[in-house]
Amino acid sequence: EIVMTQSPATLSVSPGERATLSCRASQSINSNLAWYQQKPGQAPRLLMYDASTRATGVPARFSGSGSGTEFTLTISSLQSEDFAVYYCQQYNYWYTFGQGTKVEIK
Amino acid sequence: QVQLQESGSGLVKPSGTLSLTCAVSGDSLSNNDWWTWVRQPPGKGLEWIGEIKGSGSTNYKSSLKSRVTMSVDKTNNQFSLSLSFVTAADTAVYYCTRRDCSGRSCLNWFDPWGQGSLVIVSS
Repeated sequence: EIVMTQSPATLSVSPGERATLSCRASQSINSNLAWYQQKPGQAPRLLMYDASTRATGVPARFSGSGSGTEFTLTISSLQSEDFAVYYCQQYNYWYTFGQGTKVEIK
Repeated sequence: QVQLQESGSGLVKPSGTLSLTCAVSGDSLSNNDWWTWVRQPPGKGLEWIGEIKGSGSTNYKSSLKSRVTMSVDKTNNQFSLSLSFVTAADTAVYYCTRRDCSGRSCLNWFDPWGQGSLVIVSS
């Protein structure tokens, strides 16, 4: 099983600031990575796929990068609605998720 | 717009069987999509359980394979999950979701998702 490790577990950021979330795969997954956003009591929402392609309706302040084993999700200027938990998911070999990064208000 | 809604047993006794159904609207189970179950233990991350097509083809997570059964009901446009011999470790919110196969190849990410159904395993 490919293990996905996200860091940090919690990220404290002020509104308007940049947030950078990391996701590492235990082996190369090429660019076969998706990101999801989950707010309390809600289902995950697809944000990004193929490491850097925004899903329909996702604001341009969200960007993704990386390939191989190291990936980054960047939120350029945090809005109030962006405070949530973010999960990465690999689909290079079956499907596994990271444990999540919680983005909280500083 | 595709929408999914889970329903089923909220409380299951240890060693019993968990049963959930996902009703689909806006898409047909007769299409080529993969209909998927993902779970999330309280306060933890997401775990892919498995998937099923309208044809009945299935893929299950290897560590759960001996206990998982998925089925489709095309008449009612819904699909189901059964998980047998449950323990407290199976307590989770169970989500149904989809891998879209409407294009030349199947997408490998999950969208959309149902709202989730909490299943508690307890005596």
